[in-house]
Amino acid sequence: AQKITQTQPGMFVQEKEAVTLDCTYDTSDQSYGLFWYKQPSSGEMIFLIYQGSYDEQNATEGRYSLNFQKARKSANLVISASQLGDSAMYFCAIGSGTYKYIFGTGTRLKVLA
Amino acid sequence: DAMVIQNPRYQVTQFGKPVTLSCSQTLNHNVMYWYQQKSSQAPKLLFHYYDKDFNNEADTPDNFQSRRPNTSFCFLDIRSPGLGDAAMYLCATSRGERAPRETQYFGPGTRLLVL
Repeated sequence: AQKITQTQPGMFVQEKEAVTLDCTYDTSDQSYGLFWYKQPSSGEMIFLIYQGSYDEQNATEGRYSLNFQKARKSANLVISASQLGDSAMYFCAIGSGTYKYIFGTGTRLKVLA
Repeated sequence: DAMVIQNPRYQVTQFGKPVTLSCSQTLNHNVMYWYQQKSSQAPKLLFHYYDKDFNNEADTPDNFQSRRPNTSFCFLDIRSPGLGDAAMYLCATSRGERAPRETQYFGPGTRLLVL
């Protein structure tokens, strides 16, 4: 069975600083995808970044980067130059099998002015 | 803009009174999903459709049903809502070309309140 663990229920970061949100996963599948989503208070899940299990390079999307360490089964999200608008819940998810996705319990990020 | 639309954004129903939530997409994606997200919890996959093929998660209660009459629309029916079914219901889509490594695109969600 697949599992996602996010051990940080809440995080604070100063505006313009970088922050790392932790995610570890467990799967016996060789082919899988790792995803990060942002959920503001409005409720919509916004896709941020994706990492495939076979990808050699760490994924980057603008201010978001994914620190993928396959041997350690970790897929941490790094947000550089934090902005006030980054305050939200962040979910790590794994896609495995056939259209099956498991989400972690999330990390609530608060950016301080 | 191509998108996933959910109506209504807020739905109030009475205990035991059937309720239907709707989702539509303009992305022309093959796969549509329904998630339940209770307060301060992770989204939980209820079921998904690949085209017209329905796939139920093993632990989804029988009280929850779904219909997909065409590519664009998908409905979530709760036959007899209980107080424990109050949650955010999220609809998502994906292309259906490279499971399990494809991105899902979510709608804004419907918050269901059961009185």
